[in-house]
Amino acid sequence: DAKTTQPNSMESNEEEPVHLPCNHSTISGTDYIHWYRQLPSQGPEYVIHGLTSNVNNRMASLAIAEDRKSSTLILHRATLRDAAVYYCILRDPLKAGKSTFGDGTTLTVKP
Amino acid sequence: DTGVSQDPRHKITKRGQNVTFRCDPISEHNRLYWYRQTLGQGPEFLTYFQNEAQLEKSRLLSDRFSAERPKGSFSTLEIQRTEQGDSAMYLCASSKTGTPVDEQFFGPGTRLTVL
Repeated sequence: DAKTTQPNSMESNEEEPVHLPCNHSTISGTDYIHWYRQLPSQGPEYVIHGLTSNVNNRMASLAIAEDRKSSTLILHRATLRDAAVYYCILRDPLKAGKSTFGDGTTLTVKP
Repeated sequence: DTGVSQDPRHKITKRGQNVTFRCDPISEHNRLYWYRQTLGQGPEFLTYFQNEAQLEKSRLLSDRFSAERPKGSFSTLEIQRTEQGDSAMYLCASSKTGTPVDEQFFGPGTRLTVL
């Protein structure tokens, strides 16, 4: 499975933007980049996904490098409720099955 | 609530006992996944069903673990002769074929403590 590398932890101040990086140098051409986040005592929840182009939704933006070997999840204005563990994973929709989660990035948001 | 539900939310058992967890996926979802998560780590894949067929199993799923999805709806995960190392959060997720990216929706998990 293609693996991802993320920093263990990051801090942000409330109301400021946050850029969460992910490296995936072994990504294949059919892998989609997914981001999930996990709030304390909850299961992971979907945040955003992309293939090649940058993506925006109501929760976040995803910036994908031109060579697709890295991506960045952007929270435009962090709130206390955004404090969570963020996971970047790669999934090939043609190969349904397991998702390989790393240990993610723990985001702390300071008031 | 139309999300993925899991029961029980918490289970405390003594070493050597058998435990069974249930997962009810989102109703129109035909794929169902089980993961295990220990403290400070990301979820680890255990097994996956498409309808009632178990299509993939991790080597983490030892002989003491068995999962079923008899009618392609809810699923059960049974652990026999529990060990202290089985203490973890067990997560269930579901998804639907035919979507471009097979987004998985997770339940709240069952936290197992083996004494």
